[in-house]
Amino acid sequence: DQQVKQNSPSLSVQEGRISILNCDYTNSMFDYFLWYKKYPAEGPTFLISISSIKDKNEDGRFTVFLNKSAKHLSLHIVPSQPGDSAVYFCAALLNDYKLSFGAGTTVTVRA
Amino acid sequence: ETGVTQSPTHLIKTRGQQVTLRCSSQSGHNTVSWYQQALGQGPQFIFQYYREEENGRGNFPPRFSGLQFPNYSSELNVNALELDDSALYLCASSLKGPSSGNTIYFGEGSWLTVV
Repeated sequence: DQQVKQNSPSLSVQEGRISILNCDYTNSMFDYFLWYKKYPAEGPTFLISISSIKDKNEDGRFTVFLNKSAKHLSLHIVPSQPGDSAVYFCAALLNDYKLSFGAGTTVTVRA
Repeated sequence: ETGVTQSPTHLIKTRGQQVTLRCSSQSGHNTVSWYQQALGQGPQFIFQYYREEENGRGNFPPRFSGLQFPNYSSELNVNALELDDSALYLCASSLKGPSSGNTIYFGEGSWLTVV
């Protein structure tokens, strides 16, 4: 059962502009939502998370927005840099033990 | 650098064999979870260990088993390997509690190829 969905498999953005990654979920019981960045042949790197009781969290260039009524979250990266080119995974935590992941969005930052 | 280490990084096994993968959690973390990531997909939850006991399991058969040791390190064992078990196996370390969603870190993974 695909409880977390990333409907855009890829995103291309110009260096310096904003990258917006989207994620939808179906289970209203998720406690936390997390974003990870992954390079080929490496493990996922934690970027930012947000509790289900909040609607925004910001950390440097990364901001995550949560819309509980729409069961939707998004990650904004401003400004986008060449090193941001990677696969980004949205994940949701249930009952403090299980992460459900989306299929990932490949971001390419163009010079 | 997350402080979560996994070994081995790569290995090749023959169908029907058994494999053991190892994970050392980040200092201060008491919980280890294992995930399987096939090519082109997101990681899939296998199980979690907390206080040396299994604390939740995903949709994986019993031939996937694990252990957690008193120092919180963990092993993933897979028996009777099948070709479809070829994947990246990821270990995630965390500190169980109300803010656990802020502290889930992954290791670099172990690439398993079954031939």
